[in-house]
Amino acid sequence: KAGVTQTPRYLIKTRGQQVTLSCSPISGHRSVSWYQQTPGQGLQFLFEYFSETQRNKGNFPGRFSGRQFSNSRSEMNVSTLELGDSALYLCASSLGASGPRYNEQFFGPGTRLTVL
Amino acid sequence: QKEVEQNSGPLSVPEGAIASLNCTYSDRGSQSFFWYRQYSGKSPELIMSIYSNGDKEDGRFTAQLNKASQYVSLLIRDSQPSDSATYLCAVNSRGNSGYALNFGKGTSLLVTP
Repeated sequence: KAGVTQTPRYLIKTRGQQVTLSCSPISGHRSVSWYQQTPGQGLQFLFEYFSETQRNKGNFPGRFSGRQFSNSRSEMNVSTLELGDSALYLCASSLGASGPRYNEQFFGPGTRLTVL
Repeated sequence: QKEVEQNSGPLSVPEGAIASLNCTYSDRGSQSFFWYRQYSGKSPELIMSIYSNGDKEDGRFTAQLNKASQYVSLLIRDSQPSDSATYLCAVNSRGNSGYALNFGKGTSLLVTP
């Protein structure tokens, strides 16, 4: 089975711009979660989508948004970029059904975003 | 705020020794516990999951869970230099409307030849 894929792998933007990141989950996985990883804060949960609905959300400002399509692919958007948004953005997919074993998450390679 | 705590390290062990990595969590309602390995410049890789009290072994790795003490550990036997990485403890905690993985900040492991 192919793993989780993310595009693009690297991105350079300037303050005030917006950016869209894409994630394709493992075939058969219906849940996609997004995380931000920085050296200081570690891995922080942004949000989770399951069957095209946002099921859970972390403590990030409204500039961070996402969506999920009917084929389970997901996009994340960050508007009005700030210098502090520079980070590795990771998506992870899981089966997503109820029950602990269905929540094993598998990560994609990440998108490295640099905001200048 | 649901917390997952790990010693940041670095934890240095000689090749062939047992590496012991520890993690504590604050949410008593947590049901699922995971260990991820992350090499520098790479994304986290799931290496162990554990759901019930006790030990779970997979090759050189053993995960241990004690829900009463809110404690999870990972033992790596016969440590190899290739095990040098950051190990992330993750706990599946119930959020407002679903489950979210809360991660510790990771323990850096260095296995010296």
